[in-house]
Parts: sequence; C-alpha cells; structure tokens
Amino acid sequence: DARVTQTPRDKVTEMGQEVTMRCQPILGHNTVFWYRQTMMQGLELLAYFRNRAPLDDSGMPKDRFSAEMPDATLATLKIQPSEPRDSAVYFCASGQGVYTQYFGPGTRLTVL
Amino acid sequence: QKEVEQDPGPLSVPEGAIVSLNCTYSNSAFQYFMWYRQYSRKGPELLMYTYSSGNKEDGRFTAQVDKSSKYISLFIRDSQPSDSATYLCAMSASGNTDKLIFGTGTRLQVFP
Repeated sequence: DARVTQTPRDKVTEMGQEVTMRCQPILGHNTVFWYRQTMMQGLELLAYFRNRAPLDDSGMPKDRFSAEMPDATLATLKIQPSEPRDSAVYFCASGQGVYTQYFGPGTRLTVL
Repeated sequence: QKEVEQDPGPLSVPEGAIVSLNCTYSNSAFQYFMWYRQYSRKGPELLMYTYSSGNKEDGRFTAQVDKSSKYISLFIRDSQPSDSATYLCAMSASGNTDKLIFGTGTRLQVFP
C-alpha cells in the first residue's frame, strides 16, 4: 500500500529557529505539492514540483520559506527563521494529475 | 472574497440521516470538482471527483455540480458514525494544471 510519508509528525520550536520538513512521495508520482492548513485559511498551496522542477511557489513567503527536491524520493520545505504565525499543519502530497493527489499525514508545527 | 466558499459547520446529524454538504465558487473557469474527506490528524483523501456539470454516484455518496449556479454538493445517504470527518471541496480550472483550490472544509459529526 503506497503512501506519502512525512517527517517529523510534530515539531515544536522557538521563534527564530530553522525548521526543515521532509516528504517522501509515492514512487512513480511525478508531481509533489506542499500545502499549509490552518483553521482560518484552510488548505493553501505553498509550492509544487513536476519531475523535480519547481512549477509554482507563488503561495510561499519567499523571504523565509524554501522548497526543494534534491532527488525523486525526497522533497523538503524549510522555514528560516520561523515565526509564531507559521504554526500550522504542513502537508505534502504527490500525484500524476489533477485527480490523483495523495496526501501525507502532515507535520504539525508549533512556533513559540 | 475567497474563490471557494464552504460552510465550516459543524454539522451534527443522527445515524441514518441524509447529509448535504455544499460549496460555492466564483471562478467560472473551474471544470474539475473534487471532494476530499479528512479524519482528525490525518491528511485529506480523495472521495469523489466530477468533470463539468452533472451527477456522479458512488455507493452512499453522490456528487452534484451546477455550473450555472457555481454550486457543488456532496450527498451522503444512510450516514454512519464512521462518516464523521471534515469534508473539503476542491476545484481546478484545467486538467493541464495540477493546482487545486480548496474550500475550508465542513466538519461533520454523525452520532449513533
């Protein structure tokens, strides 16, 4: 049963610290997405990649967020420096088209 | 105003009831419509999808799209306690892009 995996599942950090979240997409999927979910805003697309190339990162605060795919089995989302307003659940999803986005379990980030 | 609006609920119904979940949208270019189900502390999972207008049925679930009114619905028949979750609608303008715009989700509770 192929699944998207994310680490860590929970992260508590202090304001100003660097946070790195990792995602392993489903093998064979060519598109990877990073979303952020909050009660107020719901699910927001931060960035996505196709065949490891960044296609759209317009939803991401450029000054502190960065997303990369160093290889086909790993996607990373980094926040530096982190701020309390970054507290949210971050989801990675992978797929091969508009109907086939499979979500990971998420990383619950709390910035104190 | 958001592109996709969804009543956050919560919606509480007795077991066996028919549930109606709805979203409205403003972008007439949307053609692909999806419903995701999200259990607590889990990632969203695709429940149903439809293209353009019309109905689609899958077991106890029926998805309806009314493009003239920019309104989509998900009906759940014979609701079960296991249906208790948050339901998110999602939409896309084109099959050539993987970008989905999500509603904020409606929390549903089905009590025995």
